[in-house]
Amino acid sequence: EADIYQTPRYLVIGTGKKITLECSQTMGHDKMYWYQQDPGMELHLIHYSYGVNSTEKGDLSSESTVSRIRTEHFPLTLESARPSHTSQYLCASIGRSSGNTIYFGEGSWLTVV
Amino acid sequence: QKEVEQNSGPLSVPEGAIASLNCTYSDRVSQSFFWYRQYSGKSPELIMSIYSNGDKEDGRFTAQLNKASQYVSLLIRDSQPSDSATYLCAVNCNDMRFGAGTRLTVKP
Repeated sequence: EADIYQTPRYLVIGTGKKITLECSQTMGHDKMYWYQQDPGMELHLIHYSYGVNSTEKGDLSSESTVSRIRTEHFPLTLESARPSHTSQYLCASIGRSSGNTIYFGEGSWLTVV
Repeated sequence: QKEVEQNSGPLSVPEGAIASLNCTYSDRVSQSFFWYRQYSGKSPELIMSIYSNGDKEDGRFTAQLNKASQYVSLLIRDSQPSDSATYLCAVNCNDMRFGAGTRLTVKP
């Protein structure tokens, strides 16, 4: 079973608010990812990190930012939420200890009203 | 061309039938291949991984890999309504790439 945790699981916030989605893993994985996925649609990679102090933008442009100060922690921040940010955000990690298998957190459902 | 392509679906099979899901990938140096299942509103969960050419069986699931044809498939035997989900093909070549998914419905 994967030890990767996301909080909050569900959040409804107003337009213009700042929000940080937390993601933590206890597997010591170097690589971590954030995906955005609308219901019934495909996964879109928005950010990834190969290790501490490494962050990159993914295939889908996003107004969010990420940081990687510690190996186990990869938070995603929206400085000013908009209704277009309403979606599910999935955090994932991969590492040698998991045999190059990617494991997902349970997801954070964000609704911006 | 997308790096990982799946048959678009949706795919509908009767209960007890074999469901066949297909995936092609573009990067010849890809080494690791995975099938994930995603129920509606949930995160993807790993079903199978396969690394070498041939078949790999796990219960009702069989993954097939053909690196020469850059093709990987998943067969689900004796399909059950609980198998109804979206199936994601993933290929690891320096980084993990996912297909768009194939939605499978198993009708009782």
